[in-house]
Amino acid sequence: DSGVTQTPKHLITATGQRVTLRCSPRSGDLSVYWYQQSLDQGLQFLIQYYNGEERAKGNILERFSAQQFPDLHSELNLSSLELGDSALYFCASSADRGITDTQYFGPGTRLTVL
Amino acid sequence: AQSVTQLGSHVSVSEGALVLLRCNYSSSVPPYLFWYVQYPNQGLQLLLKYTSAATLVKGINGFEAEFKKSETSFHLTKPSAHMSDAAEYFCAVTNNAGGTSYGKLTFGQGTILTVHP
Repeated sequence: DSGVTQTPKHLITATGQRVTLRCSPRSGDLSVYWYQQSLDQGLQFLIQYYNGEERAKGNILERFSAQQFPDLHSELNLSSLELGDSALYFCASSADRGITDTQYFGPGTRLTVL
Repeated sequence: AQSVTQLGSHVSVSEGALVLLRCNYSSSVPPYLFWYVQYPNQGLQLLLKYTSAATLVKGINGFEAEFKKSETSFHLTKPSAHMSDAAEYFCAVTNNAGGTSYGKLTFGQGTILTVHP
């Protein structure tokens, strides 16, 4: 158990809908990262938040947005969903003492868009 | 810019045999390299990381990796495979190029390791 929790574990929805994925980092970790894992794209970095502020951005679609709240949990919002958004979405957290700090991954949320 | 190439999407070994999973990287500045393991229906777990302190890095579960700058490689090895090593393994890179890429891990495509009895 990494100490990172993600809810829900599974999500099934229809095209055009909007969903919210939630992540609680390990106790004391200030950084939260979101990754997408799909069969065709592999594991891709989406976005990082540090202590409530956006710090780094990957190839995140404009339909996707994220935020980190004062209690440090984070939410990833996916809107106007398409079939191709079906994937496993991971959240990771780190204490962020430096760039090589270990990122601890949650179990993921499996999103299926029908 | 940074990228990782894992040679071989599937590797199969017998129990007790050497495990060798290959990773080559590309980075515009000195890299920091990681190996993660993913068991079925689980998140990723860090095996080991190279942070420039030592080129031979020892990790958990008997795994180790050697950073070779001249070959731009960071191959993962284990002397004797166990059935419990069957999983998918990911090599990842990050660097200090700065800008909006801070902390971003770039992953390879993964290598599925199968261990036969």
